Amino acid sequence: GQQVMQIPQYQHVQEGEDFTTYCNSSTTLSNIQWYKQRPGGHPVFLIQLVKSGEVKKQKRLTFQFGEAKKNSSLHITATQTTDVGTYFCAGLNSGNTPLVFGKGTRLSVIA
Amino acid sequence: NAGVMQNPRHLVRRRGQEARLRCSPMKGHSHVYWYRQLPEEGLKFMVYLQKENIIDESGMPKERFSAEFPKEGPSILRIQQVVRGDSAAYFCASSRGRGQYFGAGTRLSVL
Repeated sequence: GQQVMQIPQYQHVQEGEDFTTYCNSSTTLSNIQWYKQRPGGHPVFLIQLVKSGEVKKQKRLTFQFGEAKKNSSLHITATQTTDVGTYFCAGLNSGNTPLVFGKGTRLSVIA
Repeated sequence: NAGVMQNPRHLVRRRGQEARLRCSPMKGHSHVYWYRQLPEEGLKFMVYLQKENIIDESGMPKERFSAEFPKEGPSILRIQQVVRGDSAAYFCASSRGRGQYFGAGTRLSVL
C-alpha cells in the first residue's frame, strides 16, 4: 500500500535557525497536506498543495510540492519557540482513499 | 465557533469493558474520519464515514471495533472488550473537501 516517509524524525534547533522537514511518498499523489501538532494537542491543518511544483508561503513557512508529485518539503525560516511541535505531512491518492500520514518531524527550539 | 467536538476528553476503562467515543463534526461537514495515535507516533487511519455510510474501514480492526455516523447525532467509535493495547489517543476529523479539521481527541486508558 501507499507509504509516506518523513525525515528527520527529530530536529533540535537554536532559536533563529532555519528548519526543513522532507516528505516522500511511494506513489504519485493528487495532493499533499501539512499539519502541525503541539505537544499534548491535536493536529491542525496548515496547507494543501495540489499542483506539480507548487510553492506556497505562510509568513515564515514555505511549502513545496515536487514536480513528480511524490515529495514535499516544509521550510521554516528563523524559527521561534512558538514553532515547537510535530509537523506531519499527509498524502492523498484520490478522492475516496484515506489520507496517509507520515510519522512526523518533531521540532524542538532552544531559546 | 463550533469546531470538531469530541467527548469524552479522557476515558478510563478496565479490560473487558466497552469504550464509546463520540465526535460531532464541524457544521456543514459531512465527512468524518477516525484516527488512532500512539505516543511519539503518527496518525493511523481507522475509518472514513459519511452520513449513515461507511466509506472506508480498511484501517479498523475487524473485531471489537465498530463505527457509525447516524443521520442524527454524532459519530460513534465503539471498542468492545477493551484490552491494554487499545490505550491511545483517538482523534476524529471532519472535512468538506479541503484539509481535515481535528477534534481535541479522546485519550483512552485501559487498566
